[in-house]
Amino acid sequence: GAVVSQHPSWVICKSGTSVKIECRSLDFQATTMFWYRQFPKQSLMLMATSNEGSKATYEQGVEKDKFLINHASLTLSTLTVTSAHPEDSSFYICSARVAGMNEQFFGPGTRLTVL
Amino acid sequence: AQTVTQSQPEMSVQEAETVTLSCTYDTSENNYYLFWYKQPPSRQMILVIRQEAYKQQNATENRFSVNFQKAAKSFSLKISDSQLGDTAMYFCAFTPTSGTYKYIFGTGTRLKVLA
Repeated sequence: GAVVSQHPSWVICKSGTSVKIECRSLDFQATTMFWYRQFPKQSLMLMATSNEGSKATYEQGVEKDKFLINHASLTLSTLTVTSAHPEDSSFYICSARVAGMNEQFFGPGTRLTVL
Repeated sequence: AQTVTQSQPEMSVQEAETVTLSCTYDTSENNYYLFWYKQPPSRQMILVIRQEAYKQQNATENRFSVNFQKAAKSFSLKISDSQLGDTAMYFCAFTPTSGTYKYIFGTGTRLKVLA
């Protein structure tokens, strides 16, 4: 149980285009979803927290207009990287949390490469 | 501010030997959870072990055990009978039992198990 999927697992796009990454909780309803960014050999950096049906809360320094997060249902959250540039290339990981639990369940991550 | 410190960027251990990874944290919260996650080369975050702060008994999961010292704010991970598959990045994480449920991650320890 508690499986989280991400799609796509990797994506290559041209500079200036937008990319959408999906995060789904497959066998549970996720009250809260989190989006992280991870650079090589570094720790996970929290970008934003999203609760179903409400606006995402972004961490300091994260551009809201560049990283659009939508949490439209209890099983799906999306991260859209708008007007992507090479510096947005990174590994993006989502996680999901069930109400009443403190543990987060992590997706397998999405590798984004912007050319 | 809550912080998590992992002071060992890299460690190595011989197969079948025991290794201990250190983690210290700082918080004014009284109730919280602590976790150790493993991130192998696939980059999937895998929960190794969790500890609830109000439980004095140290958590154990097969070859993995923790030494939780609440007063010292220390949460070390001991891996016994190390296996080649234990080679990975290990992250210590903290989350309070209330509020945003965000994880505070340490910087990670890269563990290499040697044959």
